[in-house]
Amino acid sequence: EPEVTQTPSHQVTQMGQEVILRCVPISNHLYFYWYRQILGQKVEFLVSFYNNEISEKSEIFDDQFSVERPDGSNFTLKIRSTKLEDSAMYFCASSEDSREQFFGPGTRLTVL
Amino acid sequence: DAKTTQPNSMESNEEEPVHLPCNHSTISGTDYIHWYRQLPSQGPEYVIHGLTSNVNNRMASLAIAEDRKSSTLILHRATLRDAAVYYCILRDVGHYGGSQGNLIFGKGTKLSVKP
Repeated sequence: EPEVTQTPSHQVTQMGQEVILRCVPISNHLYFYWYRQILGQKVEFLVSFYNNEISEKSEIFDDQFSVERPDGSNFTLKIRSTKLEDSAMYFCASSEDSREQFFGPGTRLTVL
Repeated sequence: DAKTTQPNSMESNEEEPVHLPCNHSTISGTDYIHWYRQLPSQGPEYVIHGLTSNVNNRMASLAIAEDRKSSTLILHRATLRDAAVYYCILRDVGHYGGSQGNLIFGKGTKLSVKP
């Protein structure tokens, strides 16, 4: 069964450093999403991406964040200058028609 | 998207049915009812969705009240693997096929399954 994959599974970085979280969505899907979940809290929407552009973003997704689909398979989330409060699980999701979303296993980001 | 209300937690015994309730009294006529679950240390997982009629799939059943102001996710025989947080989410049908589609997660119901 096709699945969304994410790398790395755990990323540790120093405050102020740039990080890139990578996702490989399911191959025939057209809609891509990033969510995050701070430990013990709700899953929060960050951004959605369709037709090579951002279609919607939350207040969390400020200028420090960017997304890219650099080739036909990868979907990346970049955080330019990480802050302590960026520590969270980051989930990538994809869907064929924005209906049922398939989530990846997540990347745990720890900012020291 | 309209809000939903779910109990914080529920317990079940293994092999028994589980009924997870969700209230959505402000649901609009174009809102689909979606259920996702999140197993420990995993990403959310789609369970089922419906609009007006009851729905069945290999994972669960969804019973929707006639006035659509509440719904119930039914796990017919709970297993230990079903221990998870279950989220009831409303999504406007206008978001389907379009460029939007983000899910708004609440706190969900944490289901514990006892052996």
